[in-house]
Amino acid sequence: DGGITQSPKYLFRKEGQNVTLSCEQNLNHDAMYWYRQDPGQGLRLIYYSQIVNDFQKGDIAEGYSVSREKKESFPLTVTSAQKNPTAFYLCASSLVADPGDEQFFGPGTRLTVL
Amino acid sequence: QQPVQSPQAVILREGEDAVINCSSSKALYSVHWYRQKHGEAPVFLMILLKGGEQKGHEKISASFNEKKQQSSLYLTASQLSYSGTYFCGSTGGATNKLIFGTGTLLAVQP
Repeated sequence: DGGITQSPKYLFRKEGQNVTLSCEQNLNHDAMYWYRQDPGQGLRLIYYSQIVNDFQKGDIAEGYSVSREKKESFPLTVTSAQKNPTAFYLCASSLVADPGDEQFFGPGTRLTVL
Repeated sequence: QQPVQSPQAVILREGEDAVINCSSSKALYSVHWYRQKHGEAPVFLMILLKGGEQKGHEKISASFNEKKQQSSLYLTASQLSYSGTYFCGSTGGATNKLIFGTGTLLAVQP
């Protein structure tokens, strides 16, 4: 079955530690995205990648970093510079970075920083 | 910059209709609609593009007024499975960089 996987589903980390969230897709999509969702809020774009080896900052990129070395993988690192990292993180992909392409979302990772 | 949705919340009985609105202060190129159930990933419902093209589920309908920078989602003969939070996402240009709206919580009761 084609889809997007994110792991782990729940993640707990101590304050000051970097943590990397995994996102893998086997849909053969060029474009991938990372969003952050806080309780009762909408989704905010952290980073996006239109093609392998390329990525751009979204609206709230400070304190986060990404890489896109493989088409199917787009890991997100939450660094210690992110002041309030506790949130629900969603990864998505689309066939290409076109406004007419639907985005397919993974199941999300709920990060709690203690 | 974030699109504003109205109403913020709505409660329906099964079989009733609802309209959810999405309004932007910026010119819109496309509007996406997604539904999210609590703790789950958003699910695609519909895309409306500048110029009139639409793509989405057969049982969902929506409109896109480019001049007013607004979109509306029409839910008819609601079912229990329609419950969730509905988000619109807008793009201001020829990219897929979405800015999501404030969300509308829809609860359908038996």
